[in-house]
Amino acid sequence: AQTVTQSQPEMSVQEAETVTLSCTYDTSESDYYLFWYKQPPSRQMILVIRQEAYKQQNATENRFSVNFQKAAKSFSLKISDSQLGDAAMYFCVYRSANAGGTSYGKLTFGQGTILTVHP
Amino acid sequence: KAGVTQTPRYLIKTRGQQVTLSCSPISGHRSVSWYQQTPGQGLQFLFEYFSETQRNKGNFPGRFSGRQFSNSRSEMNVSTLELGDSALYLCASSLEGQVYQPQHFGDGTRLSIL
Repeated sequence: AQTVTQSQPEMSVQEAETVTLSCTYDTSESDYYLFWYKQPPSRQMILVIRQEAYKQQNATENRFSVNFQKAAKSFSLKISDSQLGDAAMYFCVYRSANAGGTSYGKLTFGQGTILTVHP
Repeated sequence: KAGVTQTPRYLIKTRGQQVTLSCSPISGHRSVSWYQQTPGQGLQFLFEYFSETQRNKGNFPGRFSGRQFSNSRSEMNVSTLELGDSALYLCASSLEGQVYQPQHFGDGTRLSIL
């Protein structure tokens, strides 16, 4: 079974500064997807960024980028130029790329990191 | 395009009762997954439905069940409610549930058991 660990229950950052959220995972699979989702107080889970394990290049989406270290099973999220609207719970998420069976629909979530943005 | 719609938004029940939660996926999405979110256990996968068939199930007791209708709307049912079932229940939809297709989440149903 796969596990995802986020070792930082809470993080804080000043507006306009940069913050990095950490995530490690454990899997015996070679092909998988990793995601960062954010959940603001409104509760809706929103996809921030996605990384395919077979791609060596780190994914970027505007102010959000990841540092994917496959051998170390590490997947951190960097938020640049932090904004007040970035305040949320952030989840690191694993999904097996194996088709069928126990992979259908199943996302494995880390425990989450609460990010506070100070003005 | 409307997002994933979950109803009701809040629900209060007592122990021993049963409850039904509803999820309407994004138009055209045929895969619906359900998750339970609690402070202690975090987010846990309940089950996934596609074309009215359950394709995958998480590690939950049989009191948790679901179904999907021909229009892809899904319901989950919890029978004989226990205090520990208090949680935020999220559903997510995707086109066909394939791994490369992102899941889109609803706002959830907050279930409180008294």
